[in-house]
Amino acid sequence: DVKVTQSSRYLVKRTGEKVFLECVQDMDHENMFWYRQDPGLGLRLIYFSYDVKMKEKGDIPEGYSVSREKKERFSLILESASTNQTSMYLCASTLTGGPYEQYFGPGTRLTVT
Amino acid sequence: RKEVEQDPGPFNVPEGATVAFNCTYSNSASQSFFWYRQDCRKEPKLLMSVYSSGNEDGRFTAQLNRASQYISLLIRDSKLSDSATYLCVFRNSYTGGFKTIFGAGTRLFVKA
Repeated sequence: DVKVTQSSRYLVKRTGEKVFLECVQDMDHENMFWYRQDPGLGLRLIYFSYDVKMKEKGDIPEGYSVSREKKERFSLILESASTNQTSMYLCASTLTGGPYEQYFGPGTRLTVT
Repeated sequence: RKEVEQDPGPFNVPEGATVAFNCTYSNSASQSFFWYRQDCRKEPKLLMSVYSSGNEDGRFTAQLNRASQYISLLIRDSKLSDSATYLCVFRNSYTGGFKTIFGAGTRLFVKA
């Protein structure tokens, strides 16, 4: 059974803190993604990675960075958390050659106070 | 024009009803189309892909209209368990890569 796991389901951080969100997939997928989901806005792509050590900016990369040192692990970093980064963060993975179904982790609900 | 437009609903329907959602897209080069389902406080999961000729999976029928640039999802004989948010998803290929676009979702409530 395919599986994407995220390090935390709920996280509360203070403004200015550095925040690490971890994502691990066990499907040997090349592509991994980080999204944030906010009411009325849907899923917005923050960063994605086609391969180890590769990263590409998505639609809203400002304030975020990523790291992919191993194929199965994709980390999202908030260098200095701000209140407008309070959101649901979802990690996903998919194969390069198809099928193109994206498998999502359970999400991390981050609150920045 | 937004890349994808989806009626947010909510759609409130009784059990047994038939309900349909549409989703329009602006990129005529969109190549792959999907419907995902997202339960409250859960992650999105693939419901079904949408093929050019239309496809059916039990009570669910998905259709693609390339000329008018929309996809649709029809749910027949609605069940309480169909209550969820339905996301339309498009995958666009371009030189050097691809991009997946998610709609904001349509909320469906099925009531007894």
